[in-house]
Amino acid sequence: EVQLVESGGGLVQPGGSLRLSCAASGFTFSSYEMNWVRQAPGKGLEWVSYISTSVSTIYYADSVKGRFTISRDNAKNSLYLQMNSLRAEDTAVYYCARYMDVWGKGTTVTVSS
Amino acid sequence: QAVLTQPSSLSASPGASASLTCTLRSDINVGTYRIYWYQQKPGSPPQYLLRYRSDSDKQQASGVPSRFSGSKDASANAGILLISGLQSEDEADYYCMIWHSSAWVFGGGTKLTVL
Repeated sequence: EVQLVESGGGLVQPGGSLRLSCAASGFTFSSYEMNWVRQAPGKGLEWVSYISTSVSTIYYADSVKGRFTISRDNAKNSLYLQMNSLRAEDTAVYYCARYMDVWGKGTTVTVSS
Repeated sequence: QAVLTQPSSLSASPGASASLTCTLRSDINVGTYRIYWYQQKPGSPPQYLLRYRSDSDKQQASGVPSRFSGSKDASANAGILLISGLQSEDEADYYCMIWHSSAWVFGGGTKLTVL
């Protein structure tokens, strides 16, 4: 069964950092482009970042550029999102997505003092 | 102006058909884009339904009923998700998405009510 499981969310103060992880199973992780997508409470979907299979290509949404870093470890079947300089508006459920066809259940990030 | 615009809500009756639109900004030609559609129910992650560029370039996600289909209205510069034979379990939020300027872009979503 194809599965994505996010972890690492939590409560963090403004200006703080957090690292999200996404563990993949049930498919050949190294063969798929991966993404992070977030959803603020009561709001729509917002794409955050993209990483190619070989890490040669990475894109970020303007709202997170310079603060967030996407990475992957194909040997560990894992995707990561390092989030620095967090702001209240980063509060959201963060989903990892295989290409954009399979999504995890998400992990919640709350930025508040 | 947003890249993708969706009506915020739509209501339809059980058994009827619902046509959900996703209008592209006027400087973006719908003909060149694959439009992806997602369904999201409260408390659950989005579920990929299908993608559509043309009748020769389309994909239905595994397990998604054929009641869900995609098309385009070139005159309106819009993608369309058609849901036929509406059922109560189709009540959900629906999002469209395209790959544009090195980014995935979502529409604001349409809340479909089946009543």
